[in-house]
Amino acid sequence: AQSVAQPEDQVNVAEGNPLTVKCTYSVSGNPYLFWYVQYPNRGLQFLLKYITGDNLVKGSYGFEAEFNKSQTSFHLKKPSALVSDSALYFCAVREGSGNTPLVFGKGTRLSVIA
Amino acid sequence: EAGVVQSPRYKIIEKKQPVAFWCNPISGHNTLYWYRQNLGQGPELLIRYENEEAVDDSQLPKDRFSAERLKGVDSTLKIQPAELGDSAVYLCASSSGLAGGRVEQFFGPGTRLTVL
Repeated sequence: AQSVAQPEDQVNVAEGNPLTVKCTYSVSGNPYLFWYVQYPNRGLQFLLKYITGDNLVKGSYGFEAEFNKSQTSFHLKKPSALVSDSALYFCAVREGSGNTPLVFGKGTRLSVIA
Repeated sequence: EAGVVQSPRYKIIEKKQPVAFWCNPISGHNTLYWYRQNLGQGPELLIRYENEEAVDDSQLPKDRFSAERLKGVDSTLKIQPAELGDSAVYLCASSSGLAGGRVEQFFGPGTRLTVL
């Protein structure tokens, strides 16, 4: 069965500094990987995904993520953090083949400090 | 384009009472999902519909939970009777269903249920 680990409950970063939110996954086949962001009292918003191809994926709001098969990781990154990036971030994975559900991590709360 | 609509946004009930949540997916999306999100956790799938058919309901507690998606559009999730442990945010999501699991899901704002 697939699983996702987000090892950090909270990440604090100063505005203008680069940010990284970590994600590692486990699937038996090829992974489909997603990042979502959740603002207070709102649903999840899609940021980016990796399906196949280039390991560096670019998404919304200047975010990007790098798929690393050997380390089974899909870390979310942004070169320069904004205060408005403060939110809850979820990594999710499903197995590429077959009809398996999307499995979410527990989430990482990002706080960007001015 | 309108997003996924859910109602109500908030619901407070006493235990043993019934409750229902409604979801209207994005127009044209044939796949609909219900998730439960407990505090401090990621969403967990309860049920997935492809059009009118429930294709994955393995995580739905069938003794008290039920769902329907009449005509393959709107969907209703019901709990009867509610228990204290059902307090959570119930999220509805939809996707176009094309290309298998490659497409992203679009989420509604959720219904926050509090059971007293």
